[in-house]
Amino acid sequence: LAKTTQPISMDSYEGQEVNITCSHNNIATNDYITWYQQFPSQGPRFIIQGYKTKVTNEVASLFIPADRKSSTLSLPRVSLSDTAVYYCLVGEPGFQKLVFGTGTRLLVSP
Amino acid sequence: DTGVSQDPRHKITKRGQNVTFRCDPISEHNRLYWYRQTLGQGPEFLTYFQNEAQLEKSRLLSDRFSAERPKGSFSTLEIQRTEQGDSAMYLCASSLDGRSYEQYFGPGTRLTVT
Repeated sequence: LAKTTQPISMDSYEGQEVNITCSHNNIATNDYITWYQQFPSQGPRFIIQGYKTKVTNEVASLFIPADRKSSTLSLPRVSLSDTAVYYCLVGEPGFQKLVFGTGTRLLVSP
Repeated sequence: DTGVSQDPRHKITKRGQNVTFRCDPISEHNRLYWYRQTLGQGPEFLTYFQNEAQLEKSRLLSDRFSAERPKGSFSTLEIQRTEQGDSAMYLCASSLDGRSYEQYFGPGTRLTVT
């Protein structure tokens, strides 16, 4: 499984756009990039998955450059409730288990 | 859809005692996973089931740990002779076949071994 590197923490203010970048230099051809969100005292929650270019859903956008060695999770106009840990995972879509790193701790302030 | 549920939410036990946790997955999900999470770390995979078959176990799952999923519905995770190092959040997740990248997690059971 490709190793991922994310910033340990990020700070933002309400209403701002937040971009969290994940590096995955050893990503394999069949690997997809998946992001999860975890609030305190809750299990992680799937946010978005992509293979290349851009994917958007009602929660976030995922930008993946052509070389796929990194990806950026974009959260538009964050609110206090977006304070959470965000995990970047890389693996084949049929992978049986999720391999989490330590994630990025996002703190949104008023 | 009531989501994945876990019971109990909290468990305090003394070292050496046995504990058992239960997980009820989303009803139509045939895959069920157990993870363990310690403070400041991401969840670590323990084991997973496809229906009633346990298909993979992590090396983290020592002989003191056993998981079952009778009839392919709910699952139990038992820890025998608990140790202080077993203190963690135990998370259960479920998914559909072919969508294992999108796992639905329960709220977890927080175990404290004193």
